[in-house]
Amino acid sequence: QMHLLQSGPGLVKPSETLTLICSVSGESVTTTRFFWGWIRQTPGRGLEWIGSIAHGGTSIYNPSLASRVNISLDTSRNQFSLKLRSVTAADTAVYYCANDPLARWGVWGKGTTVTVSS
Amino acid sequence: IVLTQSPGTLSLSPGERATLSCRASQTVDNSHLAWYQQKRGQAPRLLIYATSSRDTGVPDRFAGSGSGTDFTLTVSRLEPEDFAVYYCQALGGSPMYTFGQGTTVEIK
Repeated sequence: QMHLLQSGPGLVKPSETLTLICSVSGESVTTTRFFWGWIRQTPGRGLEWIGSIAHGGTSIYNPSLASRVNISLDTSRNQFSLKLRSVTAADTAVYYCANDPLARWGVWGKGTTVTVSS
Repeated sequence: IVLTQSPGTLSLSPGERATLSCRASQTVDNSHLAWYQQKRGQAPRLLIYATSSRDTGVPDRFAGSGSGTDFTLTVSRLEPEDFAVYYCQALGGSPMYTFGQGTTVEIK
């Protein structure tokens, strides 16, 4: 059974880079069966897709965040990661990693609450 | 694609039927519409994908239907564990994935 385990800091300073990691068990991140992605949630904006990455490393991002986001695979550790640069208070959210079998988000990580504050 | 869910809150009693609506700003392929349930402090849980297919382990009291721009999630008889927030989600357009703002199903 597939599990996604999230790790990363809960507090990030303004203008710094947020880095979150999603460790996958029960499946290889190189599988062609899924995309992998990040979604965040705030009370004001609700659920917001950040971006996705395919088994070969091709990624696609939400245009509203594309200039600041990078999602990458680490096949040696069976992980994928999110980097969000130049964060502001507006990036305070619960961040989720998840997998996408086709057009839906099937297995989710438990979520990481990230606060942007000095 | 903008997804508009209604009503914002549904107040019902256990055993009653819940009907949740999701309206899209443009046509959504039936294979690209999903529904999620989220309980407080938890990640969303996939219930329905491709408009009407239940995910593994989802009880058959949950049913999805619709086409084009109008989609519906029906819970035939509410169980105590069904009181939660429900989101629809579509694939298509830009950004690639969008979510509705959610419908809260609360105990009356």
